[in-house]
Amino acid sequence: DTGVSQNPRHKITKRGQNVTFRCDPISEHNRLYWYRQTLGQGPEFLTYFQNEAQLEKSRLLSDRFSAERPKGSFSTLEIQRTEQGDSAMYLCASSNSGSYNEQFFGPGTRLTVL
Amino acid sequence: AQSVTQLGSHVSVSEGALVLLRCNYSSSVPPYLFWYVQYPNQGLQLLLKYTTGATLVKGINGFEAEFKKSETSFHLTKPSAHMSDAAEYFCAVSDGGSSNTGKLIFGQGTTLQVKP
Repeated sequence: DTGVSQNPRHKITKRGQNVTFRCDPISEHNRLYWYRQTLGQGPEFLTYFQNEAQLEKSRLLSDRFSAERPKGSFSTLEIQRTEQGDSAMYLCASSNSGSYNEQFFGPGTRLTVL
Repeated sequence: AQSVTQLGSHVSVSEGALVLLRCNYSSSVPPYLFWYVQYPNQGLQLLLKYTTGATLVKGINGFEAEFKKSETSFHLTKPSAHMSDAAEYFCAVSDGGSSNTGKLIFGQGTTLQVKP
């Protein structure tokens, strides 16, 4: 297994456009997390899944954001009608809930909204 | 609620000198504590973690940290800095356990500069 992968690595879009990011977790991990990191800050929790169920969403996740994890495998994070304030690094992490929840992070997707 | 405070947004040391990065946490439940390192334009790599048991934990690349419940601290140390240690370091706390969310609450990060 090569770890957590995220695609694309970089995305530049114009304000008002929709974007979708994909995360492929480590195959045996049942939990998947999304975080957002802005410049000079620590990552902030957005949402997480246990298997295919989305169990918690942060208040940071406005109505323009939606995440899915069909069949409990890969996950997608969609942002509709992007705003300049959405520019950030979006990080995905996966874990096994039985292993002290040690999270393994992907390389991130850097979003720039012009 | 949980929170993390990292004291010092920038720390500069000479190569070979002691590295000390400070982290204090707040948690209403027994915490799980983590230190992650981030190199430019990359994701986060786990350095070490405290869950239960021994309070002095050793991690990769010669780093270690001590959980001090009375001081609510989890400071990161390394006896001798190497140029390759220059990076951003994040302390994080979670509620841990399979019955909890396990989401990580991060500090704002400390940039470590290593001077030759």
